[in-house]
Parts: sequence; C-alpha cells; structure tokens
Amino acid sequence: DVKVTQSSRYLVKRTGEKVFLECVQDMDHENMFWYRQDPGLGLRLIYFSYDVKMKEKGDIPEGYSVSREKKERFSLILESASTNQTSMYLCASSDTGVRNEQFFGPGTRLTVL
Amino acid sequence: AQTVTQSQPEMSVQEAETVTLSCTYDTSENNYYLFWYKQPPSRQMILVIRQEAYKQQNATENRFSVNFQKAAKSFSLKISDSQLGDTAMYFCAFMKFMDSNYQLIWGAGTKLIIKP
Repeated sequence: DVKVTQSSRYLVKRTGEKVFLECVQDMDHENMFWYRQDPGLGLRLIYFSYDVKMKEKGDIPEGYSVSREKKERFSLILESASTNQTSMYLCASSDTGVRNEQFFGPGTRLTVL
Repeated sequence: AQTVTQSQPEMSVQEAETVTLSCTYDTSENNYYLFWYKQPPSRQMILVIRQEAYKQQNATENRFSVNFQKAAKSFSLKISDSQLGDTAMYFCAFMKFMDSNYQLIWGAGTKLIIKP
C-alpha cells in the first residue's frame, strides 16, 4: 500500500516560532509537493521538488522554505510563524510523468496563536 | 493564466441518486490532463478519475464518469447510485506544464453530502 505520512495531524504554535512540517513517502517518487488548503480557495502550491536537493517555488512561497536532503523526505519550514499561516498543510508525491496521480498525506492542521 | 472554477460550493442528494458536479477551466493549451480528487472527512485526498484532453471518449471508473466538453472547457463529474461513503470534498484540477515541470491548478472544491 502506497503511503505518504506527515509528522503531525495537529500542531499549535506561537507567533514568531520556527515550525517544521515533515513529510515522508515510501513509493520512491521523484516529485514531492507542499500545499496549503483553505476553505473556498482549494489547494495552493507552496513549493515542490523534482529531485533530491532541488526545489522550486509554487504560487505562494512567501514565508516558507523547504528542504529535500533525501528522496523520501520533504520538509516545509515556517521561519517565523504568523497567524495568517494558520491552515491545513498537505504533502503529496508523484512519479515522473504528466498523467501520474499525486498521492497525499493526511494533512497537518496548523494553528498559529 | 489557467484557472479552474467549481461553481457549486456545496451539494446534497439522497443516497442512490445521481449527482453531477461541475467544473470549468480556462487554458490556451491544446494538450493537457484533468483530474477529479476526493477528500473524505478527516481522510486523505485520493484520485477519483482522470481525463486526457486528446481523448474524445469520456473517462469512466465504476460509478464515476466525466462529461468532458473540450470546446466549452467543461469537465463535470457524475456519480451514479450515490453512496454514503461518497460524502466528501471534491476537487477538480488541471495539469499545467510550466518551466519543464508539471503542476496542478485546483478548483475551490465542492462539498458533497449524501443523505441516508
């Protein structure tokens, strides 16, 4: 069974804290993605990676950074959390190829107080 | 810019009924892919069905089928004989090619409730 796991289902942090969200996939996929999901806005791409140590900005990268040191792991970093980063964060992975589906993790609901 | 529009924020139908979720998109490309994903309450997002734009035949997966109208840029999802387990958020997505990479552009989603 294919699997994408995320380090936390729920997370509460304070404004200004550094936050790490971890994502691991066991499918040997090249591609990994970080989205945030907000009601009425669908999913918006934050960052993605098509190879180890490679990263590309998505549509809303401001306030975020990422790290991909190993093929199976893709981390999202909030350098200084702010209340407007309160959201659901979804990680996904996919094999190379335009028609290949993305497999999603369960999501992390982050609340920044 | 490519956009994806889902005009129905929420829908509800009785179990066993047929329901159609609408999706329109905007693109100048000729070859692309379209997807419907499902996100059940508190569960992971999963792929329901995909359609290649170059194929005229509408994709079908068991009770799920699409009505793909390329000229109208419409991609609706039909769920036949709806079941309680179909209750979920449904997202339409368009695959775009950008800077030698592929990305999904997502609609805002439709919340579907199947009533017993």
